[in-house]
Amino acid sequence: ETGVTQSPTHLIKTRGQQVTLRCSSQSGHNTVSWYQQALGQGPQFIFQYYREEENGRGNFPPRFSGLQFPNYSSELNVNALELDDSALYLCASSLGQPDEKLFFGSGTQLSVL
Amino acid sequence: RKEVEQDPGPFNVPEGATVAFNCTYSNSASQSFFWYRQDCRKEPKLLMSVYSSGNEDGRFTAQLNRASQYISLLIRDSKLSDSATYLCVVNYPYGQNFVFGPGTRLSVLP
Repeated sequence: ETGVTQSPTHLIKTRGQQVTLRCSSQSGHNTVSWYQQALGQGPQFIFQYYREEENGRGNFPPRFSGLQFPNYSSELNVNALELDDSALYLCASSLGQPDEKLFFGSGTQLSVL
Repeated sequence: RKEVEQDPGPFNVPEGATVAFNCTYSNSASQSFFWYRQDCRKEPKLLMSVYSSGNEDGRFTAQLNRASQYISLLIRDSKLSDSATYLCVVNYPYGQNFVFGPGTRLSVLP
């Protein structure tokens, strides 16, 4: 086990709704990254938080937003859900160094109907 | 052109076979390179880092060619348990921005 926990494990929403996904990082890790993985594709980088500040963002619209808390846990918020937002959302924690490996949680499977 | 490209797969091989996966990346400033393994409906897990001199971990060998911007993974004596999707991962400079390839699925058959 990686020590990274995500909640909920599964979620069903309808188009236009808002969703919040949560992630608790591994003890001692100050960096959290979020990824979206559509079926049959590799994970796509959404954004990264380092010590409560956004530290890089992928090609996702502003309706994808996040937070990191003082204990380094993190939230991913998605507003105005679209059908294409259906995917596995993965959280990964690390120490923030370029050659550090990522420790992934088991993900949240989001279905938008 | 995609930032990280991999063999499209799937690869179906018998037990005991040797199989090689290829990966190319577009950003010459990339700093770190990895292979991750992802089982069906599970999270990715680090298989091995890839170093310029090449590195080996048991039945797995990874190679990096910076001049050609090419990474490879060789699996010898394939086991049924090697069946998974193999993700090539490249870390871009200025932060821990990991870019994943689309993955290559491997099925090892009895």
